[in-house]
Amino acid sequence: GEDVEQSLFLSVREGDSSVINCTYTDSSSTYLYWYKQEPGAGLQLLTYIFSNMDMKQDQRLTVLLNKKDKHLSLRIADTQTGDSAIYFCAEREDSSASKIIFGSGTRLSIRP
Amino acid sequence: DAGVIQSPRHEVTEMGQEVTLRCKPISGHDYLFWYRQTMMRGLELLIYFNNNVPIDDSGMPEDRFSAKMPNASFSTLKIQPSEPRDSAVYFCASRKSGSNTGELFFGEGSRLTVL
Repeated sequence: GEDVEQSLFLSVREGDSSVINCTYTDSSSTYLYWYKQEPGAGLQLLTYIFSNMDMKQDQRLTVLLNKKDKHLSLRIADTQTGDSAIYFCAEREDSSASKIIFGSGTRLSIRP
Repeated sequence: DAGVIQSPRHEVTEMGQEVTLRCKPISGHDYLFWYRQTMMRGLELLIYFNNNVPIDDSGMPEDRFSAKMPNASFSTLKIQPSEPRDSAVYFCASRKSGSNTGELFFGEGSRLTVL
């Protein structure tokens, strides 16, 4: 079955880059997502990538996809205190699939 | 739009009591999902509905859990009887079929504590 794995914690210094990694098992996944959860709130879509892409950049965010290794990463440049949150990797099989499977989330903390 | 609305935001109850969590999806969204978040297990999909019909309830932990969607604008998740291990944050999310990204819109969650 589908499985998405992430490390639980990451601590970075303010101004440095953060890299959050994720591995997934379903080779047929066509949509991969990064959601952000701020304290006391629900999850919000941060960015997504289709499986026919290797990279997607959106301002400070860079998503890299290695389909061969089933590895997804999210890089946040110039990390700020407002980036403190839990980041969830998620996969969806295809456009007809209804389920989105989430990883356990990586808690990003920023130190001064 | 008001977004996905969940109630209550916090619930504290005693073991054995019935708990009912409520969700109002975004108007026009035809998919509704219930997730549970715990430190140990992360974010688990419990059940989801399409056009008010339950499609996949394989994530529901046991018979103590039940979910209904009597109409397009309301869903409930019920736990009876509740146990301390049910303590978690329960999220409702909705989305619209045909969405290009398949983005899920989450409510703010209901934090349940069972003593």
